Amino acid sequence: GAVVSQHPSRVICKSGTSVKIECRSLDFQATTMFWYRQFPKKSLMLMATSNEGSKATYEQGVEKDKFLINHASLTLSTLTVTSAHPEDSSFYICSASRGTSGGYEQYFGPGTRLTVT
Amino acid sequence: DAKTTQPTSMDCAEGRAANLPCNHSTISGNEYVYWYRQIHSQGPQYIIHGLKNNETNEMASLIITEDRKSSTLILPHATLRDTAVYYCIVRGTGANSKLTFGKGITLSVRP
Repeated sequence: GAVVSQHPSRVICKSGTSVKIECRSLDFQATTMFWYRQFPKKSLMLMATSNEGSKATYEQGVEKDKFLINHASLTLSTLTVTSAHPEDSSFYICSASRGTSGGYEQYFGPGTRLTVT
Repeated sequence: DAKTTQPTSMDCAEGRAANLPCNHSTISGNEYVYWYRQIHSQGPQYIIHGLKNNETNEMASLIITEDRKSSTLILPHATLRDTAVYYCIVRGTGANSKLTFGKGITLSVRP
């Protein structure tokens, strides 16, 4: 099956610093990637849709200047949490769309646990 | 995207079949039914999807009613490793089609 990786798997940073999370599709090219966040005991919430070579589309209520998304190649999208604060602590998960005979399927990465102290 | 409703939780005995129901009464003609699961602290895992015909793969079977307003995911022989939150989602098939996650159903498989 399609493999999506994320790096790092967990990160601890100090308040006010920025953190970059990478999402890679390892064995397929993905023109579209998605970023989600998940708080404890809650469901996944879509943050933004990332298309290669163009600006990301953010969901309502998600600050684009706070969560910078770059999708510079067909296998890599990055999410940068700028000036992180404790309330940004969460589980961040990416997914990548892969074309199949039946349309496009989304494959998820293993997630990145961010803790801001 | 159409909304889905699922029970909050269910349990089943190891080795028995687990039947997970989902209602999607507002599904539109071009939307598929997808099932994902999430084991604690991991990314969601794709299980199966279908449009109107029943589907089966190595993980599960998907039974969709003729009117497409509901479906059932069947894990034929549940194991302890199948304990997870299972999400039923309806979506189109375009590259930008979103997956909107509800609360899902927590399946607990007991020894």
